[in-house]
Amino acid sequence: GQQVMQIPQYQHVQEGEDFTTYCNSSTTLSNIQWYKQRPGGHPVFLIQLVKSGEVKKQKRLTFQFGEAKKNSSLHITATQTTDVGTYFCAGKDSNAGGTSYGKLTFGQGTILTVHP
Amino acid sequence: DAGVTQSPTHLIKTRGQHVTLRCSPISGHKSVSWYQQVLGQGPQFIFQYYEKEERGRGNFPDRFSARQFPNYSSELNVNALLLGDSALYLCASSSGRNGGWANVLTFGAGSRLTVL
Repeated sequence: GQQVMQIPQYQHVQEGEDFTTYCNSSTTLSNIQWYKQRPGGHPVFLIQLVKSGEVKKQKRLTFQFGEAKKNSSLHITATQTTDVGTYFCAGKDSNAGGTSYGKLTFGQGTILTVHP
Repeated sequence: DAGVTQSPTHLIKTRGQHVTLRCSPISGHKSVSWYQQVLGQGPQFIFQYYEKEERGRGNFPDRFSARQFPNYSSELNVNALLLGDSALYLCASSSGRNGGWANVLTFGAGSRLTVL
């Protein structure tokens, strides 16, 4: 079945440094979403990318969707302590049907720690 | 407007017991999905319901079942609990069943199940 892998698993940065997490799917995706989960919390939606090669920015966060729609990245510029948490990508298989119709497959997440 | 509400927030069960988890989606959302999140991993898809019908099922045993009610609230039932069922069970609502922003998930705070 579809697999979504994220690297790195952990990232420790000093406040002010940049951070990037990468997401790779074993299948072509119809869209990809990114979620943030604070320690002890629940995943919160950040953004959705739909088009091949799409780039979207939210303040210090830049999201990219690969040309083949099988990979994505999240880049944070000048991290702050408020960026601490686990970042998940989640993809919908473009060929999903039957019992997988509504399924989003999540990566295992990248845990970001920011040292002040 | 209330977000996604889940109950109970925490519960402890013993092996072999049964558990029922409840979820109320965002008002106007007709789709409810259930995810299992084991510590240190990304959420894993269990079920999706739309308009009271099952639209998707993940790779979980038949001990897991769910249903959606006319008011779009949902229940997840797990029978014959195993130690490995210990996890955070997340309910997510979305507006629709296909494409675009319809499958963007808004998660509840989760029900943390511990099986002893």
